Amino acid sequence: EAQVTQNPRYLITVTGKKLTVTCSQNMNHEYMSWYRQDPGLGLRQIYYSMNVEVTDKGDVPEGYKVSRKEKRNFPLILESPSPNQTSLYFCATRAGGPDTQYFGPGTRLTVL
Amino acid sequence: AQSVSQHNHHVILSEAASLELGCNYSYGGTVNLFWYVQYPGQHLQLLLKYFSGDPLVKGIKGFEAEFIKSKFSFNLRKPSVQWSDTAEYFCAVSDYTGTASKLTFGTGTRLQVTL
Repeated sequence: EAQVTQNPRYLITVTGKKLTVTCSQNMNHEYMSWYRQDPGLGLRQIYYSMNVEVTDKGDVPEGYKVSRKEKRNFPLILESPSPNQTSLYFCATRAGGPDTQYFGPGTRLTVL
Repeated sequence: AQSVSQHNHHVILSEAASLELGCNYSYGGTVNLFWYVQYPGQHLQLLLKYFSGDPLVKGIKGFEAEFIKSKFSFNLRKPSVQWSDTAEYFCAVSDYTGTASKLTFGTGTRLQVTL
């Protein structure tokens, strides 16, 4: 079964404590992306990756890092989380045509 | 920069009522258009997409959308909504910038269907 998985699904942390949200896909897709969803703002792209070792900034990259060492994984790293990064995060991969993106289940992050 | 506008932020309908959600985008070039749905507590799922061809696109669960290029619009419709259609709906547009495509989302419309 085609899947995009994210871990953890829920996380409460404190300001400044480094964290990583993992994203994994089993579809061998080259393109992966991270979004954050905030009320009234919709989804905004944080970073995307066209392939292994190829990453680029989206619309709201500040305070985030990513890496793409292997095709199936695309972790999102918050080196020093702040309360304004409290959000719902979605990982997505692209398949089924030039732009159809499939989303993971989401990670709800709260930074105190 | 491209932008996507969804003018209806919150829509309340009774079951069996007809639905139309507006979506307008700003980009003047070739675009791909999408509607996604997010049921409470779940991730986004693709409802329908338009790449080219017939501007009237049919998706899952009885939804359809019409691409009107002259109006930069891609409105979502359903003739008769059900209580299970209660969800948040996002319009999205992508265009190609160099070798990458960028997906831009609207702010979403929350649909509440009452019995």
